[in-house]
Order: sequence, then C-alpha cells, then structure tokens
Amino acid sequence: QLQLQESGPGLVKPSETLSLTCTVSAVSISSSSYSWGWIRQPPGKGLEWIGSLYYSGSTYYNPSLKSRISFSVHTSKNQFSLRLSSVTAADTAIYYCARQLDCTSTSCSPDFDYWGQGTLVTVSS
Amino acid sequence: QSMLTQPPSASGTPGQRVTISCSGSSSNIGSNSVYWYQQLPGTAPKLLIYRTNQRPSGVPDRFSGSKSGTSASLAISELRSEDEADYYCAAWDDSLTRSVFGGGTKLTVL
Repeated sequence: QLQLQESGPGLVKPSETLSLTCTVSAVSISSSSYSWGWIRQPPGKGLEWIGSLYYSGSTYYNPSLKSRISFSVHTSKNQFSLRLSSVTAADTAIYYCARQLDCTSTSCSPDFDYWGQGTLVTVSS
Repeated sequence: QSMLTQPPSASGTPGQRVTISCSGSSSNIGSNSVYWYQQLPGTAPKLLIYRTNQRPSGVPDRFSGSKSGTSASLAISELRSEDEADYYCAAWDDSLTRSVFGGGTKLTVL
C-alpha cells in the first residue's frame, strides 16, 4: 500500500528556512510513471500548490514562491524534500506531500492521487 | 485570491442532488482538465474526479464531473450525511504555468 509521510520541524522562526521531507513507501520515487508534489493549506483556508518534481528531475514551482523554494530528491532513501527560505507568519500551514500522475515536460496537472497526512508548520518566534 | 472561483458554501438534504460550480478562464479550465478533491474535517484531501469527468477506483458513481467552456461542475447525487466536507476544484493554468485551486466549497447536509 503506497504511503507518504511528511516529517520536519513543527516550529520555524521568522526569516529562517523551513525544511520538510516526504518519505514514500511501496513505490520508487524514481519511477517514470509518477511525479511528486507539495501542497499547503493555511489553517482554516484553502489549498495552495507549492510545486512539483517531475521524474526526469525537472521542477515546477509556484511562481509566487519560486524565489524561496527548492526541491531535492534522495533516491537511496526514497525521499524528496522541500526547502522554503525566509519564512514569515504567512507560511504557517499544513504542508502535504503527494504523488502526482499527469506531469509532462511542459505542464503538471494537479492530479494528486495519494497524499501524506500532512504536517503543521508554524512560523513564530 | 484563488484563480478558480467556487461558491463558499452549498447545502442539500439527504437524497438530493447538489452541484458545485468552479469558474475559471481560457488558460485553465478552458484548455485543461479539471480535478476535484473532497476534504473531510481533519484529513488530507482525496481525489474525487480526475481529467474532468473520470472517477478513481473506489469513488461512488454518485459523484460526477463535467465542464463547459471555462466553467466546471461537480455533481453529487443521492446526497448522504458522509458527503459533508469541503470540495476543491483544480486545474493547470497555461498562462501562469502553475496549478491553481479553487477557494473551496463547504457542503452541508441538512
């Protein structure tokens, strides 16, 4: 059974860097059949796409966050990670990682079929 | 501000059919597939409809999706109490080169 699990600090200070890791089980993150994405949800608010990692290594970032985010992949651990720099209170949210099916070299449709349970990250001093 | 516009709330009684709308533009809904998610309280979103009108395995056929021009709809027939949740539409936007979500619709089963 495919599972995704987010991990990382639950509290980050303003101006610092938020780092999260998603551990995937039961399927290889290197598979050409899948891509992997990050989505966040501020408490009581809607969903926001952060970005996606295409199996080829190409990345798609939300333009509004692009200057602050980076993805990395750790194939030996079957993990992928998110780093978001210079965080503010506006970055406080539940962060989800998810598997994505319909990415190509030019677009990445928001078809997330498996999600992690989400992890709450609070930005506060 | 969401690129896709949904009504903030919708309601219906058990057994009824309800429809949730999602309005976009030519660069998202008008030219790409639409996806729908159901989020029960305290849980991660669940993919309900993909590629505008396809249901993943395990999703009841009471749920259906469609689109016309730059608008899409999610229809739920034979409404049940367990359908009470937040529903989100989503699509890729060619102009913004990003995925966009609607603001979400809270469905109440009266």
